[in-house]
Amino acid sequence: AQKITQTQPGMFVQEKEAVTLDCTYDTSDQSYGLFWYKQPSSGEMIFLIYQGSYDEQNATEGRYSLNFQKARKSANLVISASQLGDSAMYFCAMKGNTGKLIFGQGTTLQVKP
Amino acid sequence: EAQVTQNPRYLITVTGKKLTVTCSQNMNHEYMSWYRQDPGLGLRQIYYSMNVEVTDKGDVPEGYKVSRKEKRNFPLILESPSPNQTSLYFCASSLAGQINSPLHFGNGTRLTVT
Repeated sequence: AQKITQTQPGMFVQEKEAVTLDCTYDTSDQSYGLFWYKQPSSGEMIFLIYQGSYDEQNATEGRYSLNFQKARKSANLVISASQLGDSAMYFCAMKGNTGKLIFGQGTTLQVKP
Repeated sequence: EAQVTQNPRYLITVTGKKLTVTCSQNMNHEYMSWYRQDPGLGLRQIYYSMNVEVTDKGDVPEGYKVSRKEKRNFPLILESPSPNQTSLYFCASSLAGQINSPLHFGNGTRLTVT
């Protein structure tokens, strides 16, 4: 069975600092994809970044990067130079051979001025 | 603009009164899905559809129905809503068969059943 685990229910970070949100996964699929989504207080789900299981380089999108460690089955999201607008809930998700996207429980990030 | 549109955004109803939440996407996506989000549980899949006239149960299908008569529309039907179906609901779509295709989400429907 596939599973995503986010062990940090809540995180605080000072504005302009970097923060890492943890995500571990479990799957027996050889090919899979890992996604991060942001959910601000307004409620919408915003796609941030994708990492494929066969990608050799860590994915980056602007201030977002994904620290992918395949042997450890972890896919941590790194946000550099945090901004007040980064305050939100963040979800890690995985898609395997079935095409279904499964989600972790989410991590609430608060950026302090 | 490429988007998934779901309506209504907010809905308050009473136990047993049938309701439909509509969902439409304009990206020609084959795959569509409904999720519900509850505190501490993340998002859980209710139903999904790989293409027109093809639907299947997700992890929490009890109490819900769906249909996919057209590629762009995927309504969620609650025949007899109960208070435990109070939740935030999301419709989403993506290309089918592509692991790297992200789900695009609608803005959500916050349902309260009293």
